[in-house]
Amino acid sequence: GAVVSQHPSWVICKSGTSVKIECRSLDFQATTMFWYRQFPKQSLMLMATSNEGSKATYEQGVEKDKFLINHASLTLSTLTVTSAHPEDSSFYICSARDQASGGELFFGEGSRLTVL
Amino acid sequence: GENVEQHPSTLSVQEGDSAVIKCTYSDSASNYFPWYKQELGKRPQLIIDIRSNVGEKKDQRIAVTLNKTAKHFSLHITETQPEDSAVYFCAASTFNNAGNMLTFGGGTRLMVKP
Repeated sequence: GAVVSQHPSWVICKSGTSVKIECRSLDFQATTMFWYRQFPKQSLMLMATSNEGSKATYEQGVEKDKFLINHASLTLSTLTVTSAHPEDSSFYICSARDQASGGELFFGEGSRLTVL
Repeated sequence: GENVEQHPSTLSVQEGDSAVIKCTYSDSASNYFPWYKQELGKRPQLIIDIRSNVGEKKDQRIAVTLNKTAKHFSLHITETQPEDSAVYFCAASTFNNAGNMLTFGGGTRLMVKP
């Protein structure tokens, strides 16, 4: 199947710093990517829909100025957690849809963010 | 928006027994229902999906049933094995060319005891 790669898989940062997470579709083009957040033992919560060449669509309750999303190309979307705080510590996962394979969603490996 | 409820939250079975996980959804426009398996710290992996034009789909030990009228769908795993132990998520969406935004259920932690 198609491959979605996320980087970094682990990141530890100090409170107040910004962290960028990359999501790449390695062998297909994705006009739309999705960013999720997952707390321990909880479900995946959609944060935003990343649209290539246009602004992301954020879910209710997600601060767009805190979670900056850029989808500059058909294979790359980035999520930047700005001025991170300990409560932002979580598992962040992206997904992308491969229309050529029938529209199945493929998930990245996830990025575990720990804010000290 | 769509709301997906999943039950049970935890399920423990003996190896060889069957496991059933149930989900309900709220949006009658939803027409795509995938199931994902997530091992600890790893990405969700699609294990089976069903679209609203069929009522049942089977892939070896895994089957999914869909009742559109009642708006619920279920995952059935037969002859469970220890490696089936994981968290399983159901999801629902409206499948269209504009994208495929999934709403996930709360997850079920399946434990298969040898």
